[in-house]
Amino acid sequence: EEQLVESGGGLIQPGGSLRLSCAASGFHVSGNYMSWVRQAPGKGLEWVAVIYRGGDTYYADSAKGRFTVSRDDFRNTVYLQMSSLRPEDTAVYYCVREYYFGACDIWGQGALVTVSS
Amino acid sequence: EVVLTQSPGTLSLSPGERATLSCRASQSVSSTSLAWYQQKPGQAPRVLIFEASTRATGIPDRFSGGGSGKDFTLTISRLEPEDFAVYYCQHFGSSPRLAFGGGTKVEI
Repeated sequence: EEQLVESGGGLIQPGGSLRLSCAASGFHVSGNYMSWVRQAPGKGLEWVAVIYRGGDTYYADSAKGRFTVSRDDFRNTVYLQMSSLRPEDTAVYYCVREYYFGACDIWGQGALVTVSS
Repeated sequence: EVVLTQSPGTLSLSPGERATLSCRASQSVSSTSLAWYQQKPGQAPRVLIFEASTRATGIPDRFSGGGSGKDFTLTISRLEPEDFAVYYCQHFGSSPRLAFGGGTKVEI
């Protein structure tokens, strides 16, 4: 079964750093476009970042300069390193696989990140 | 930047009724790049439709998508109890890469 499992969420103070992990099973992250999408409490969906099959990365304006997406092909895992966190970064962060012109067919269960003092 | 506006914000219907959800783009977009998702409370979204009108694997045929240019629709022909949820449209572009509409809640 193709699956994504996130980990690493938690409560962090403003200005702090946190790394989310997304472990894939049933497929190779290296052969796919993998994105992070977040959802603030009670709000809609917001794309955060993507890592291409070739390793190129792109970010939403809200994440540029603060977030870094990376991949470990041996561990078949995608990461989102977040720094200089702000209260408005509080959200459930989903790791997703893009499969056809950006349509996301596999979603993780989500990792809750709460930025608060 | 493409902005997607979904309407209505909330749709109050009964099981067995037809639901028509709208997604309007701020500029004309390719149908290839338009997808729809369903999200239930406490769950991750699930893709329903991609390429504006192609049902994803395992999606019942009561769900259909259509439209072109700026205006797209998701239709649920006969609402089942499990269809009451929030629905999002999504555009695949360049900046941002994935843009989502604000969502339509379908409630009883």
